[in-house]
Amino acid sequence: GAGVSQSPSNKVTEKGKDVELRCDPISGHTALYWYRQSLGQGLEFLIYFQGNSAPDKSGLPSDRFSAERTGGSVSTLTIQRTQQEDSAVYLCASSPTPGVGGQYFGPGTRLTVL
Amino acid sequence: ILNVEQSPQSLHVQEGDSTNFTCSFPSSNFYALHWYRWETAKSPEALFVMTLNGDEKKKGRISATLNTKEGYSYLYIKGSQPEDSATYLCAFQTGANNLFFGTGTRLTVIP
Repeated sequence: GAGVSQSPSNKVTEKGKDVELRCDPISGHTALYWYRQSLGQGLEFLIYFQGNSAPDKSGLPSDRFSAERTGGSVSTLTIQRTQQEDSAVYLCASSPTPGVGGQYFGPGTRLTVL
Repeated sequence: ILNVEQSPQSLHVQEGDSTNFTCSFPSSNFYALHWYRWETAKSPEALFVMTLNGDEKKKGRISATLNTKEGYSYLYIKGSQPEDSATYLCAFQTGANNLFFGTGTRLTVIP
């Protein structure tokens, strides 16, 4: 079946612009996670959605970052007024049951802020 | 932010060699330990999720052990093949939400 998909695969933007990154989780997966990997760093948790519960935003690095999940499925991560330090690979993952078993990752979006 | 350390950062082995690497994590608030394989231009793929002290998991030529009391896990690859070349990530889980990832071990298997 279809895995987690993300778009775009690559995004180059200028400093100060806003960007939107999209994630389509596996159908039926209730948990959705966003991570990013900056150069030389480990995967960093950003935000977690579970069903209709309020998202866990504890990993968002600043108020320029926000995310939403519509209808319990597709999620969009928005970065406003991008900075060069936002350059990273942004990964989305989903799981059928939060906290149990592994997560299924998408291919990521490579964001480059010039 | 919890400290999850992996070593070595990278290694090169010859095809056919066996190898292992380490993941160290806090010994408190343990829920689960994950291993993922991340090949270039692909998505990270779950290898193992371990929850109990002393757990050993095996998948083909790859196996992993877990010691929650001392806070470490080993990943072993027996008879490395070029297709094993990837970055191996471990992640420490404290609850339902968060995985705290290490920076990974980049393995290159030389034919």
